[in-house]
Amino acid sequence: GDSVTQMEGPVTLSEEAFLTINCTYTATGYPSLFWYVQYPGEGLQLLLKATKADDKGSNKGFEATYRKETTSFHLEKGSVQVSDSAVYFCALSDRDSSYKLIFGSGTRLLVRP
Amino acid sequence: DTAVSQTPKYLVTQMGNDKSIKCEQNLGHDTMYWYKQDSKKFLKIMFSYNNKELIINETVPNRFSPKSPDKAHLNLHINSLELGDSAVYFCASSLTNTEAFFGQGTRLTVV
Repeated sequence: GDSVTQMEGPVTLSEEAFLTINCTYTATGYPSLFWYVQYPGEGLQLLLKATKADDKGSNKGFEATYRKETTSFHLEKGSVQVSDSAVYFCALSDRDSSYKLIFGSGTRLLVRP
Repeated sequence: DTAVSQTPKYLVTQMGNDKSIKCEQNLGHDTMYWYKQDSKKFLKIMFSYNNKELIINETVPNRFSPKSPDKAHLNLHINSLELGDSAVYFCASSLTNTEAFFGQGTRLTVV
């Protein structure tokens, strides 16, 4: 079945450092890919998405490119801020899974001043 | 206006009790979901309704029963609560094949 694998955390960075959180997926169909963010004590918020190969999703300085050849959707940000500290989830959905979201295990990011 | 709202936000109850969590969305979406997040932050789908019809029912004990009175509401009733049911439960909604919007979560603690 479909699955998502993302790098284990925590990831600890200094403010203004470059961020990469790796995400790879396995899917039988042609999934849509998402990054969600969960700030402490809150629900999940959609950060960005991509619905087909080579699409780039971007929001709030974060970017991720849908790479079909490597089945990847890595999250990047050029300069992180303390306020980016949160748990980041990579997810996919497709018709073969009735469009339910299948999540990776989440990666905690801690940004220090 | 809150897009997806669920109540209560916190729920502490004793083993064996029956409890309900309510969810409402005002986005006009046709699909609603319940997800469970465990203590390690892992998220897993429990149920999904599309236009009030159950379309996803993952391997969940039958003590959990969802009910969708209309497209804007999806409630979760849990019978005979167990310690292992302690988790954060998230309601979400979407249009078919688009991104899901999540509620703030209900932290259930069974003592």
